[in-house]
Amino acid sequence: AQTVTQSQPEMSVQEAETVTLSCTYDTSESDYYLFWYKQPPSRQMILVIRQEAYKQQNATENRFSVNFQKAAKSFSLKISDSQLGDAAMYFCAYRSKLTGANSKLTFGKGITLSVRP
Amino acid sequence: EAGVAQSPRYKIIEKRQSVAFWCNPISGHATLYWYQQILGQGPKLLIQFQNNGVVDDSQLPKDRFSAERLKGVDSTLKIQPAKLEDSAVYLCASSLTSGINEQFFGPGTRLTVL
Repeated sequence: AQTVTQSQPEMSVQEAETVTLSCTYDTSESDYYLFWYKQPPSRQMILVIRQEAYKQQNATENRFSVNFQKAAKSFSLKISDSQLGDAAMYFCAYRSKLTGANSKLTFGKGITLSVRP
Repeated sequence: EAGVAQSPRYKIIEKRQSVAFWCNPISGHATLYWYQQILGQGPKLLIQFQNNGVVDDSQLPKDRFSAERLKGVDSTLKIQPAKLEDSAVYLCASSLTSGINEQFFGPGTRLTVL
């Protein structure tokens, strides 16, 4: 079974600064998807960024980028130029790519990010 | 495009009572998921539907939880009887198919069992 670990429960960043959120995972599969989701206090979970394991290039979405280290099974999220609206809970998630596997997401425990004005 | 709708948003019940949650996915989405999110933890899949068929219900406590998606559109999740440990946020998500299509989440129902 796959597991996702987010060991930092909370982080804080100054507005306009850069912050990195860590995530490690464990799997025996060679191809899979990794995601970062954002959950603001209103609870609507929103996809931030997605990475396919077979792609060596790190995914980037505007101010959000990942550092994907497949051998180390590490998948960190970097938020540049942090904004007050980035304050939320962030979840790292894994999805199998195996044919016939269901498409469920396996989530980590999440990290609460606060942004200081 | 309307998002995933869920109701109610909040529910407080006594233990051993019954409760039901409703989810209406995004129009045209064949796959529907119910996740349970206990405070301080990430969401955990309870059940996945593809149209009106169950794909995965391995994590669903079937002695007290049930779910249906009779017409392949909206879905109901029921707990009967509720236990204190069922206090959680219940999230519904939908996607076009069970492939890599993005899962869109609803706002959730926060259940408190007293």
